[in-house]
Amino acid sequence: DAGVIQSPRHEVTEMGQEVTLRCKPISGHNSLFWYRQTMMRGLELLIYFNNNVPIDDSGMPEDRFSAKMPNASFSTLKIQPSEPRDSAVYFCASRFLVPTTDTQYFGPGTRLTVL
Amino acid sequence: GESVGLHLPTLSVQEGDNSIINCAYSNSASDYFIWYKQESGKGPQFIIDIRSNMDKRQGQRVTVLLNKTVKHLSLQIAATQPGDSAVYFCAEKDPGGTSYGKLTFGQGTILTVHP
Repeated sequence: DAGVIQSPRHEVTEMGQEVTLRCKPISGHNSLFWYRQTMMRGLELLIYFNNNVPIDDSGMPEDRFSAKMPNASFSTLKIQPSEPRDSAVYFCASRFLVPTTDTQYFGPGTRLTVL
Repeated sequence: GESVGLHLPTLSVQEGDNSIINCAYSNSASDYFIWYKQESGKGPQFIIDIRSNMDKRQGQRVTVLLNKTVKHLSLQIAATQPGDSAVYFCAEKDPGGTSYGKLTFGQGTILTVHP
């Protein structure tokens, strides 16, 4: 099992540019989460998908952030336009939603630096 | 200037000692708890979980204890090794019908194991 795959692993961009982060969940998992981790705020949930449908996006900071899940094996998190305060590590996690387990499995993360 | 971030609790132990990492959770209705280990530059990695109908669960070299009376969770690591050095996060799941199993993460504890 390859685990959750994220790309790119590192992204450096300039303020105002569009950034797209990508995630491939574990095959067979039907729930996907996007998190952001910073020293200031720790690990924050941004958005949650179940069966490719966004269920809770209350953690998305503002309209500059958007996420899609066009199919069960792919999701994107887009920031447009990016700002220096968006610099963080962004994690994708997936889970197989059944009553007997709630374990989320995390990807390696994308370290985003906005100059 | 110097940035202000989370001040994570720290625990330093000698190799071979047992480690105990503590976590206080907030929601008395939480029915599932999980410990993650995060090494530098990596995503959180599942260690062990426990449901609220249990007070103890053991894995390989790790034990999780749950005290619902005082809303306290602990992770015990036996014979701690340098490879155990990482940040450890506890997380709780709200069983509420609309929360879809959202995990709320603690701030983390830094464990340093000295050879």
